[in-house]
Amino acid sequence: DQQVKQNSPSLSVQEGRISILNCDYTNSMFDYFLWYKKYPAEGPTFLISISSIKDKNEDGRFTVFLNKSAKHLSLHIVPSQPGDSAVYFCAASGGTALIFGKGTTLSVSS
Amino acid sequence: GAVVSQHPSRVICKSGTSVKIECRSLDFQATTMFWYRQFPKQSLMLMATSNEGSKATYEQGVEKDKFLINHASLTLSTLTVTSAHPEDSSFYICSARDNTLNSYNSPLHFGNGTRLTVT
Repeated sequence: DQQVKQNSPSLSVQEGRISILNCDYTNSMFDYFLWYKKYPAEGPTFLISISSIKDKNEDGRFTVFLNKSAKHLSLHIVPSQPGDSAVYFCAASGGTALIFGKGTTLSVSS
Repeated sequence: GAVVSQHPSRVICKSGTSVKIECRSLDFQATTMFWYRQFPKQSLMLMATSNEGSKATYEQGVEKDKFLINHASLTLSTLTVTSAHPEDSSFYICSARDNTLNSYNSPLHFGNGTRLTVT
């Protein structure tokens, strides 16, 4: 049973436009959410996080929104750049370890 | 920033042999490290939690006798895949969290992973 779901395996966006990556979770005990970015043959790198007491966190071009009632979070990247092309993993935590979604491959074309 | 070094990055071994993967936190201490496995186009699946000075905690379905974990110091954890078989071929990634940061709500730092191919 997947506790963290990223239903879109891929997303294509033009440079300069907004990228919106979505993530749903089922476990109401999750209280901390993170987004990781992964290039091929490399480990994931931390991008941005949000605590369950907040509904928005912004860091430069990246903003994460959390809707607890819908158990949904999203990552907005604006403006998108070709270097943003990577796999993005949503992760959730209710303890020490993280539970990951399957990832969404973002392709930003110039 | 915090760095986790994982070695080797790629290994090919014959069926029946054992392979050791090392995970080091380079500029921080980690009492706990995590080992993940990723199949193609799949999520990172937590295999086990490695605890410094004590036994690792394995997730359901992960064979502890096959995937031996040793966390000998605050900066080093090793994963040994024993008697490897082709179905063990996968991408293994370790991660760690800085001890000095508050609680579990600090991001994990990941190694670059090890691509294991068993022939």
